[in-house]
Amino acid sequence: EAEVAQSPRYKITEKSQAVAFWCDPISGHATLYWYRQILGQGPELLVQFQDESVVDDSQLPKDRFSAERLKGVDSTLKIQPAELGDSAMYLCASSYWTSNNEQFFGPGTRLTVL
Amino acid sequence: EDKVVQSPLSLVVHEGDTVTLNCSYEVTNFRSLLWYKQEKKAPTFLFMLTSSGIEKKSGRLSSILDKKELFSILNITATQTGDSAIYLCAVEQSSDYKLSFGAGTTVTVRA
Repeated sequence: EAEVAQSPRYKITEKSQAVAFWCDPISGHATLYWYRQILGQGPELLVQFQDESVVDDSQLPKDRFSAERLKGVDSTLKIQPAELGDSAMYLCASSYWTSNNEQFFGPGTRLTVL
Repeated sequence: EDKVVQSPLSLVVHEGDTVTLNCSYEVTNFRSLLWYKQEKKAPTFLFMLTSSGIEKKSGRLSSILDKKELFSILNITATQTGDSAIYLCAVEQSSDYKLSFGAGTTVTVRA
């Protein structure tokens, strides 16, 4: 069964360092989402791509976060510099298209910032 | 501002019990409500509800939506230890298809 792949699964970093997360969506899924889930809360959308274009990044802290999906397939989310408050689970999800919202989630990257 | 509120925040039951989870919402341009199950990893999709009063069922899980009173419930009957998880409710807006998630209900099923 096709799955969303993410790496790394766990990342520990010190504040002010740069971190990057990678996501490979299910083949054929045009829409890709990055979510941040703080412990005890539901996922919060950071950025949404339709193919290679950003559809929504209104909740992305653009002073330190960036995301790209250059060829409309896999995607990278970067944080530079990391802050203590960035510690969270970063989830990637994909769906066939935006209006079909059965989103399939990857296993997530758990980030700890020391 | 859109709001999705789940209750209770957590509960502990014994195997065989029935649990009822609640999700109330205030969103503009409602399109659908989704339930996910999250164990120690990514959320997995359970149900998508778009119409009031139509129950969706999958094995021991069922869910129903009330668009007039703006809530949904998720029932789990004859609970098993494998049902222990966080259950997330999310509401989709028709304007931009964005999902707004509630904080989740943590269910612990004891043997």
